[in-house]
Amino acid sequence: EAQVTQNPRYLITVTGKKLTVTCSQNMNHEYMSWYRQDPGLGLRQIYYSMNVEVTDKGDVPEGYKVSRKEKRNFPLILESPSPNQTSLYFCASRGGGQGPEKLFFGSGTQLSVL
Amino acid sequence: AQKVTQAQTEISVVEKEDVTLDCVYETRDTTYYLFWYKQPPSGELVFLIRRNSFDEQNEISGRYSWNFQKSTSSFNFTITASQVVDSAVYFCALSEALRAAGNKLTFGGGTRVLVKP
Repeated sequence: EAQVTQNPRYLITVTGKKLTVTCSQNMNHEYMSWYRQDPGLGLRQIYYSMNVEVTDKGDVPEGYKVSRKEKRNFPLILESPSPNQTSLYFCASRGGGQGPEKLFFGSGTQLSVL
Repeated sequence: AQKVTQAQTEISVVEKEDVTLDCVYETRDTTYYLFWYKQPPSGELVFLIRRNSFDEQNEISGRYSWNFQKSTSSFNFTITASQVVDSAVYFCALSEALRAAGNKLTFGGGTRVLVKP
């Protein structure tokens, strides 16, 4: 089954404790991205990657890092989480030549930073 | 810069009523794409429709219909004869030309629809 898998589904942590949210897709997609969802703000793009070893900032990259060492994986790293990073996070992927309607979204990761 | 505004934060209706969700957008691009997504209580995002900026035809899909008006920069969504299963958060989104780098979606703030039995 074609899917984007995020882990964990829920995460509670404390300020300053480094964490990684994993994202993996099994569709051989070139493009992957991370969004965060906040009430009243919709989803905002954090980072995206056009292919292996190619990453770029989205609209709200501060406080986040990503890496794309393999095509299937695109982890989101919070080196020193802060309470304002409490949010619902979505990973998404699509084929290189496809439009946004072809985005496959993961199920989301609800992060709480205390 | 692109912007999408969904002025209605929450709409509550009784089953079988029609409900219209407003979406107004801003962009400098002459070619762009508009989308609607549904987010049910389970949290996943479900793609509903894509509309190109050069195609102003309205579209109907079952109980769903979309009214795209370039003159008012609006892309409104109507659910006819609403059902409880329509209860969800609905997002309108905008994207620049498909081949542009990043190709990100700019989302509106979402409208929560609650359909009561």
